[in-house]
Amino acid sequence: AQSVTQLDSHVSVSEGTPVLLRCNYSSSYSPSLFWYVQHPNKGLQLLLKYTSAATLVKGINGFEAEFKKSETSFHLTKPSAHMSDAAEYFCVVSEDSGNEKLTFGTGTRLTIIP
Amino acid sequence: DAGITQSPRHKVTETGTPVTLRCHQTENHRYMYWYRQDPGHGLRLIHYSYGVKDTDKGEVSDGYSVSRSKTEDFLLTLESATSSQTSVYFCAISRTGGSYEQYFGPGTRLTVT
Repeated sequence: AQSVTQLDSHVSVSEGTPVLLRCNYSSSYSPSLFWYVQHPNKGLQLLLKYTSAATLVKGINGFEAEFKKSETSFHLTKPSAHMSDAAEYFCVVSEDSGNEKLTFGTGTRLTIIP
Repeated sequence: DAGITQSPRHKVTETGTPVTLRCHQTENHRYMYWYRQDPGHGLRLIHYSYGVKDTDKGEVSDGYSVSRSKTEDFLLTLESATSSQTSVYFCAISRTGGSYEQYFGPGTRLTVT
């Protein structure tokens, strides 16, 4: 079975400072991992994905995430926060077992302080 | 943006009435999914389809049924709506399952009174 835990339900950072959103996963197979972002009253947009290629994955809007198998983690980072980054972020896991299903974390709400 | 539309975008209905939500795609993707989003739960899979007339249950399928008679349309039906089904419903599509990313529609906000 697969699962994902987002360690913080809410993160606040000042504009221009680094962002760290933490995600741990559990998977019986080789996982694919994703980060999605949801702005208020919008659908979900893919930020980046890991599918067993490079462990450091670069996404849109300056975000990146590093896959660490030994720590079962896939944390999302950005060097400098912008006001437009305020949103909810979801870490998502999919097992490479022929299982077509994604499992979502409960989300981290990112607030940017001016 | 992926060509996914959902209708209606907002709906208020009474307990016990049937409700059908529609997802329409123009991408010709094989897989289609229905999720519900509730505070503190993230998104939870209700049902999904891996082809015309091929569907399967997700983790919260009780009280919901689906149909897919055409590649482009995936319908979610609440046979007899209950207040616990008040939620935001998202449709998603994927070229294939598993490691391929899913693209999401704009969502339908359903309120059951």
